[in-house]
Amino acid sequence: SQQGEEDPQALSIQEGENATMNCSYKTSINNLQWYRQNSGRGLVHLILIRSNEREKHSGRLRVTLDTSKKSSSLLITASRAADTASYFCATDSSYKLIFGSGTRLLVRP
Amino acid sequence: GAGVSQTPSNKVTEKGKYVELRCDPISGHTALYWYRQSLGQGPEFLIYFQGTGAADDSGLPNDRFFAVRPEGSVSTLKIQRTERGDSAVYLCASSLAGPQGEQYFGPGTRLTVT
Repeated sequence: SQQGEEDPQALSIQEGENATMNCSYKTSINNLQWYRQNSGRGLVHLILIRSNEREKHSGRLRVTLDTSKKSSSLLITASRAADTASYFCATDSSYKLIFGSGTRLLVRP
Repeated sequence: GAGVSQTPSNKVTEKGKYVELRCDPISGHTALYWYRQSLGQGPEFLIYFQGTGAADDSGLPNDRFFAVRPEGSVSTLKIQRTERGDSAVYLCASSLAGPQGEQYFGPGTRLTVT
């Protein structure tokens, strides 16, 4: 079963615009991670935010976490065509990561 | 250094056949995971190894699925009597710190059961 649910399911923006993706989850977590996937194959880890953190930055990425609402957001600033991919949030539960269904981002040149 | 590798990259098999999917984790990573991803969905957990032992196999869908990691490095996911519903991308990941740290994913094996 999948715990995280991303919103929106698909997002199309113009190069240079910002992209915001949201993730909601159901149970308590130790941390939440965001991954990127190109062409349905291997996932690339983007950023990890711990349950006691509220915001984290990495380059053009900004992640927020609201444990009271059980939600997180991923902001990609100044998007590029190369950012086109699927983005997944993942929460840890016991020994495994539980992924959401992902947001498919299209950045138009 | 080398990342996680998986072989084969693609596998087409007939319904009812047996398949083996291989994963080579990053050297030194004691934790290894298998996930399955269907089209349009996120990866779903199958099994987690810590060293040679399966610490959590709760994600294996039924007893046709089995995985081993005999020497604590390479792992093989085995599927018996394959069904069309087994068609998916099978992803392997490894990590240093266990499930609460970053997992490094391989490129996956796309399994198609005809």
